[in-house]
Amino acid sequence: ILNVEQSPQSLHVQEGDSTNFTCSFPSSNFYALHWYRWETAKSPEALFVMTLNGDEKKKGRISATLNTKEGYSYLYIKGSQPEDSATYLCAFLNTGNQFYFGTGTSLTVIP
Amino acid sequence: DTAVSQTPKYLVTQMGNDKSIKCEQNLGHDTMYWYKQDSKKFLKIMFSYNNKELIINETVPNRFSPKSPDKAHLNLHINSLELGDSAVYFCASSQTFSYNEQFFGPGTRLTVL
Repeated sequence: ILNVEQSPQSLHVQEGDSTNFTCSFPSSNFYALHWYRWETAKSPEALFVMTLNGDEKKKGRISATLNTKEGYSYLYIKGSQPEDSATYLCAFLNTGNQFYFGTGTSLTVIP
Repeated sequence: DTAVSQTPKYLVTQMGNDKSIKCEQNLGHDTMYWYKQDSKKFLKIMFSYNNKELIINETVPNRFSPKSPDKAHLNLHINSLELGDSAVYFCASSQTFSYNEQFFGPGTRLTVL
């Protein structure tokens, strides 16, 4: 079993604040890194799939960066809104077809 | 039109029974997956099929058997259900394996009594 860690485990921010969290994964045999947003009582929803070292992706106020050499990815949310409240999951895929989700960062945005 | 659908949404059954959960995707994707969400809400991949061929088969009890009659369907059959099988099971699909985003079904909550 591979170690895919996310930090912090949970986060409370005020509406309008910007925030970021981390996904750490093994730096060897990297293939892809996925980010998902998971609202309570719903299904995970894809945000980004990143494959190249140095990749930066953006979707509205949410962006992500990738460092495959050191084994981490950051997810940034600019100007958090209450509707951003969700659990954010990363998932790591290696060249051996091993695919693991992290335990997630639970974000609560306080109005 | 639901992209990835699962049936049933809820399943309550007795220990020892055999049950199946069905998954269908209408996205024309080549790859489908089954995940188990455990009691700590952790998502763990169980199986993945690409064009009806098994490509991921994680360490799960052999009481769990996936069946893919065609690219659009991946069913999960569970024999001799145990209390520990109680969980939410999610099906997902992606265009191809690996670097395409996955689309998840609504989940099936299985309760074994």
